[in-house]
Parts: sequence; structure tokens; C-alpha cells
Amino acid sequence: KNQVEQSPQSLIILEGKNCTLQCNYTVSPFSNLRWYKQDTGRGPVSLTIMTFSENTKSNGRYTATLDADTKQSSLHITASQLSDSASYICVVPSGGSYIPTFGRGTSLIVHP
Amino acid sequence: NAGVTQTPKFQVLKTGQSMTLQCAQDMNHNSMYWYRQDPGMGLRLIYYSASEGTTDKGEVPNGYNVSRLNKREFSLRLESAAPSQTSVYFCASSEGTGTASGNTIYFGEGSWLTVV
Repeated sequence: KNQVEQSPQSLIILEGKNCTLQCNYTVSPFSNLRWYKQDTGRGPVSLTIMTFSENTKSNGRYTATLDADTKQSSLHITASQLSDSASYICVVPSGGSYIPTFGRGTSLIVHP
Repeated sequence: NAGVTQTPKFQVLKTGQSMTLQCAQDMNHNSMYWYRQDPGMGLRLIYYSASEGTTDKGEVPNGYNVSRLNKREFSLRLESAAPSQTSVYFCASSEGTGTASGNTIYFGEGSWLTVV
């Protein structure tokens, strides 16, 4: 069964600190992995997409990494801001299916 | 910059009542989706429409029906609401079908449905 597991489930950090969120997947074959940010009460918004050939991709203070051999991805947030408080969701397409597998997300709270 | 618009934002239903969630996108996307999101669970696909005139079941279709009215609009109907359908519902769209080829799924703002 295709699975996407995210850790930690929740995380609390102080403003200005860095943090790293993890995503492990068992989806096969692999085509891409996407990170979404979901603010409270809003719909998810795409942050970045990683394809098989990419190891690292940055989007401002967000840096995603991918290790296709170990089937792991991480999302690193640098110099966190209060606006980073959100749920971060890892999404991997299920092979050739139209149904991508969504992780349960990591809830990040940034305190002043 | 409307993107994906869904209505209503909030709704309370009594068990057995019916209702329709409306969704429209203005990005000329071919594919549209309905998801539900429950606490502690990832987004789950209810139904999707790969293109105008087609609809298919997702992971959790029981108790729901959909209509792809035209290229812009995709509605979700609960014929006889049950407490288990209390959830947050998201409509979404993408230019192409599926995400394996890298298509980005754009989500609406969500509809909070409570069935009592």
C-alpha cells in the first residue's frame, strides 16, 4: 500500500529559529514529491515540487531535499516567522494513478 | 485572482437532509476534484473529473454524488447527510489530470460541514 508518513506530528519553535520537517514515502513508481502549506482555515498551497533528479530546491526561506534512494524528503525552514505557523503536507502521486497520497501533515507553531 | 471558489463556507445540516456544495474555477483547468479533510487524517479524494463530461470515484465516494456542469463548475451533493460526513470539504483543480506528470493542484478555501 502506498504510504506517506510525516514527522513530527506537531512542532513548536521560537521565532527566528530553524526547523526541519520529515516525509517518508513508500509510493512506487516515484515521479515527484510536493510540499504544501496549509494555513489554519484555508486551503493548501503548493510550496515546492521535487522530481526524481532533484536533490535540493529552495523557495525563499524554505528548502526541500529529496533522497530517492531512501525515499525520504525534508523541508527546512530558515529563520522562522510567525506567518510560518501552519500545517505542512507532503504529497506523492500514486504511480500512474490520479489519486495522489497525502501525508497527514506536520503542524508547526511559531511563538514570538 | 479568484482561483477556485466554493460555497457555502459553513453549513449545518440535520441527519437525512440533502445539500449541494458548489465549486467554480476560473483558471481554465481541465481537471477538478473534491476532497474531504478530517482531523488527524490526510486529504482524501471523494470524486474527480478528469475533463468536462467525465467523473470518477476516488477513495471515499460512498454517500456522495457529483456533477461536472461545465468546464468551470463541479458540484458535490450529499443526498442524505450522516454525522460521519461532518468534515471540511475542499474543491480543487489542475490543468492536466493527476499529479504524476507534475500538475499542481489548486485548492479552494474549504467548506465546513457539520451534520447533527
